[in-house]
Amino acid sequence: IAGITQAPTSQILAAGRRMTLRCTQDMRHNAMYWYRQDLGLGLRLIHYSNTAGTTGKGEVPDGYSVSRANTDDFPLTLASAVPSQTSVYFCASSEGTRMNEQFFGPGTRLTVL
Amino acid sequence: AQSVTQLDSQVPVFEEAPVELRCNYSSSVSVYLFWYVQYPNQGLQLLLKYLSGSTLVKGINGFEAEFNKSQTSFHLRKPSVHISDTAEYFCAVSHGSSNTGKLIFGQGTTLQVKP
Repeated sequence: IAGITQAPTSQILAAGRRMTLRCTQDMRHNAMYWYRQDLGLGLRLIHYSNTAGTTGKGEVPDGYSVSRANTDDFPLTLASAVPSQTSVYFCASSEGTRMNEQFFGPGTRLTVL
Repeated sequence: AQSVTQLDSQVPVFEEAPVELRCNYSSSVSVYLFWYVQYPNQGLQLLLKYLSGSTLVKGINGFEAEFNKSQTSFHLRKPSVHISDTAEYFCAVSHGSSNTGKLIFGQGTTLQVKP
């Protein structure tokens, strides 16, 4: 069982370019999440989805969009990348209730120049 | 609003010594609490969680944590650390009163185990 896969592993991107980070889970979890991790700030929630077909904004949603067309996939799109979006991005999934732990992917390291 | 504070950004410790990583939270509703570990260049994985019942929770790799409601704390402990415990540790609290799976994370504590 792969759990959660993310692609690409790393990417260098020119400012102004569009980029989609991919995330797929095979655990049939209802909920999925996107975080960014920055030194000294921990993990901050960008967007989330409680179930297929629904999405919500997290703590730092500006400049990012998501979609949840099915249970397994939860892509994160940067419409026009800026250097402040340089970060490590983690996708996670869970059963979706307050008691359930989240399972994390290996991360995507994104550098915007 | 809920928040999580990890009181130490870095904790250096010698191998086989005991360690405590501190976590305090604030919340106006009942909470569920989690500790995650992140090894270098990897995603996070669950160490342990507190949902209810006994306030002393045991997790993987010999770690344990104690929930203290009066002090709003959930400190992580290990009686004897190994070099392989060197990692980033995150405390997290369940979000709000609605039944969603969102978590609020602390800033992280880097545990550096020295030989």
